[in-house]
Amino acid sequence: AQTVTQSQPEMSVQEAETVTLSCTYDTSENNYYLFWYKQPPSRQMILVIRQEAYKQQNATENRFSVNFQKAAKSFSLKISDSQLGDTAMYFCAFMKHVYLGGNAGKSTFGDGTTLTVKP
Amino acid sequence: DAGVTQSPTHLIKTRGQHVTLRCSPISGHKSVSWYQQVLGQGPQFIFQYYEKEERGRGNFPDRFSARQFPNYSSELNVNALLLGDSALYLCASSFAGGQGNSPLHFGNGTRLTVT
Repeated sequence: AQTVTQSQPEMSVQEAETVTLSCTYDTSENNYYLFWYKQPPSRQMILVIRQEAYKQQNATENRFSVNFQKAAKSFSLKISDSQLGDTAMYFCAFMKHVYLGGNAGKSTFGDGTTLTVKP
Repeated sequence: DAGVTQSPTHLIKTRGQHVTLRCSPISGHKSVSWYQQVLGQGPQFIFQYYEKEERGRGNFPDRFSARQFPNYSSELNVNALLLGDSALYLCASSFAGGQGNSPLHFGNGTRLTVT
């Protein structure tokens, strides 16, 4: 079974500054995917960024980037130039790769980090 | 294009009752997953359906059941409701279940309160 741990229940950052959210996971799988999702007060979970485990290059999406350390099973999210709209709960999630039509590609989520961006 | 739609938005039920939650995936998506999110925690996997077949089940009692219809929409049923079933129930669709290049797209959820 996989586990995902987010050790920072709450964090805050000043607008325009940079913040890093931590995530560690445990798995015996070799082929898997990691995700960061954002859940604002409106409740809808939105994909922020994803990383394929077999890719060594860290994923980036505009102001969002990750630091993926496969050996250490660490997957942190860096948000640059923080904006007020980044205020939300952030979830780290793990999904093992399955072949099309195979058994469930369920996602395992951490318990989240509540990020507040202050003006 | 419409996103994942869930109904109802909110629901209040009494212990022992039954509830049905509904989900319509994004057009073209064949996989639907259900998650339970208790306040202050991350979502917990309940079921996944792909091409109308159950592909996975989380650690939930048999009171929880689901199905997927030919149009790929889905229902989650919970019988004999308990207070502990109070949560936000999230539906997520993807083009192909289990494919990392086909990530989950979530609906806004159904807030279930059991009194």
